[in-house]
Amino acid sequence: AIQLTQSPSSLSASVGDRVTITCRASQAIAISLAWYQQKPGRAPKLLIYHASNLESGVPSRFSGSGSGTDFTLTISSLQPEDFSTYYCQQFNSYPLTFGGGTKVEIK
Amino acid sequence: QVQLMQSGAEVKKPGASVKVSCKASGYTFTRYYIHWLRQAPGQGPEWMGIINPSGGTTSYAEKFQGRVTMTRDTSTSTVYMELSSLRSDDTAVYYCARDLGTSFDYWGQGTLVTVSS
Repeated sequence: AIQLTQSPSSLSASVGDRVTITCRASQAIAISLAWYQQKPGRAPKLLIYHASNLESGVPSRFSGSGSGTDFTLTISSLQPEDFSTYYCQQFNSYPLTFGGGTKVEIK
Repeated sequence: QVQLMQSGAEVKKPGASVKVSCKASGYTFTRYYIHWLRQAPGQGPEWMGIINPSGGTTSYAEKFQGRVTMTRDTSTSTVYMELSSLRSDDTAVYYCARDLGTSFDYWGQGTLVTVSS
């Protein structure tokens, strides 16, 4: 199975900060990567698909980049509603797998 | 609008089985595969398997082979996930999610399954 390693596992940031989360795959997955945001008690919400495509309705402060084994999710200016846990997920091969998550907390 | 509505929370004893439903609406049921995932407390999501609502074909994660069965009822646009021989470490929130081919674009609200003696 393809392993996805996210870093950091948690971070503290302030409103307005630029935040970057990385996801590294154990083998090349082209651009078959998605990013999700999850708030406590809620289902994950799709933010980015195909590594860099913004899902409809998602604010433009979210962006994704990368291909092969290294990917990043960037929030250009952190807003109060962005404090959540973020997961990467690969769609390249089965079994589908997720990263361990990055919890973004208020500094 | 697209919705996936799951059945309610369950409490089961070790060794029992649980069957969770996921009713789809707002789109053509047979056009999109449905996945089942679960999320244990404090953990990330874990993929369990996929069902093709059109033909009913399934594929399961090796970890759950022999214990999980996914089925569908096209007359009610509902998919089901049954997990047997439950253990305490099966305690989790179970989700269904629609397959966009590139990602999961719609998720059910989740069903908490608690396994406890």
